[in-house]
Amino acid sequence: QQQVKQSPQSLIVQKGGISIINCAYENTAFDYFPWYQQFPGKGPALLIAIRPDVSEKKEGRFTISFNKSAKQFSLHIMDSQPGDSATYFCAASTYGGSQGNLIFGKGTKLSVKP
Amino acid sequence: DTGVSQDPRHKITKRGQNVTFRCDPISEHNRLYWYRQTLGQGPEFLTYFQNEAQLEKSRLLSDRFSAERPKGSFSTLEIQRTEQGDSAMYLCASSLGPGMIPYEQYFGPGTRLTVT
Repeated sequence: QQQVKQSPQSLIVQKGGISIINCAYENTAFDYFPWYQQFPGKGPALLIAIRPDVSEKKEGRFTISFNKSAKQFSLHIMDSQPGDSATYFCAASTYGGSQGNLIFGKGTKLSVKP
Repeated sequence: DTGVSQDPRHKITKRGQNVTFRCDPISEHNRLYWYRQTLGQGPEFLTYFQNEAQLEKSRLLSDRFSAERPKGSFSTLEIQRTEQGDSAMYLCASSLGPGMIPYEQYFGPGTRLTVT
């Protein structure tokens, strides 16, 4: 049973456009939702994270939108650049809980065309 | 550099051999996690430590896998009698621990294991 579903699997965006990646979760105990960026051959790098007490969080060109009732959250990359071409993973966990291990989506491969 | 480090970065081994990987977390982090990532998939949780105590093991962690964190600092992950299905990227992450801010998990560069 996949607890975090991510879409689309791949995404092609023109330079300067907006990239949107969506995730949905099932476990209502999740209360911490990070996004990671991964380049080939590298480990995932934390990009931005949100907790469900807010509906939106913005850091530079990256914004997370969170819809608690729908159990969905999304990553928006504004003014997408070729350097943003990477695989993006959403994840979920219980913040500060007894475990805290991350449950990841399957990833979205983003290609930004110049 | 104060990030998470892993050694080796790449390991090629023959089926049936034993391998051991090392992870050095960020120094003030008391939680350490191991994940496995196969091609085209997201990382999957294997096990985690709170200081030196191993608190959780995934069902993915078969009896051939063992992890230690003897002094609550670095950790090792050993795979005995490797199989071709063990070929993957093994990722280590660390964080400050439950209820502490920030709680983010920071990943190392990973160890790429290839079993031939």
